[in-house]
Amino acid sequence: AQSVTQLDSQVPVFEEAPVELRCNYSSSVSVYLFWYVQYPNQGLQLLLKYLSGSTLVESINGFEAEFNKSQTSFHLRKPSVHISDTAEYFCAVSALSGTYKYIFGTGTRLKVLA
Amino acid sequence: GAGVSQSPSNKVTEKGKDVELRCDPISGHTALYWYRQRLGQGLEFLIYFQGNSAPDKSGLPSDRFSAERTGESVSTLTIQRTQQEDSAVYLCASSLWRSAADTQYFGPGTRLTVL
Repeated sequence: AQSVTQLDSQVPVFEEAPVELRCNYSSSVSVYLFWYVQYPNQGLQLLLKYLSGSTLVESINGFEAEFNKSQTSFHLRKPSVHISDTAEYFCAVSALSGTYKYIFGTGTRLKVLA
Repeated sequence: GAGVSQSPSNKVTEKGKDVELRCDPISGHTALYWYRQRLGQGLEFLIYFQGNSAPDKSGLPSDRFSAERTGESVSTLTIQRTQQEDSAVYLCASSLWRSAADTQYFGPGTRLTVL
């Protein structure tokens, strides 16, 4: 079985400041890792995913996440946030076999302040 | 192209009534998933379809919940005798299901409120 922990339910940060959203997971099998974003009044969208290879993955809008196997973490970072990054961010894992269902964390609400 | 669509977007019902929630996946996607998001909680997996069969129903919370899929397309999630704890946003997702690497594409959700 898998589980995902997002310890920070809300993260306020000023515009142009850096941010890190934490995600830790537990699994007895190998998993793929995902970050999804939900902007206000919109559906969930894939932000980035780690499948294999380089442990650092990047999104097109400046976010990056690093897979750390020893710490079972997949933290999301951005060096300089914008007002438009205000959203809820969900970390998820999927086992490499079976139904490929996602196990989600409880989400982190990022609020970017002017 | 068209994404995943869900209807209705909002549903308010009285305790004890039955409700049906609909999902139209992306055309050609063989896998379809239902998730539930209750206030202050993460998304919980409910059920998974591969084609028209449901090999994993492990997340359905009680026998009041059922789902079907027809034509390897539309899926309906039915909740019988709704309870207040059923209030949540119900999300549907679809994917090509070639591997776990395939992205799941989510619909906008149905917000269910049970009074």
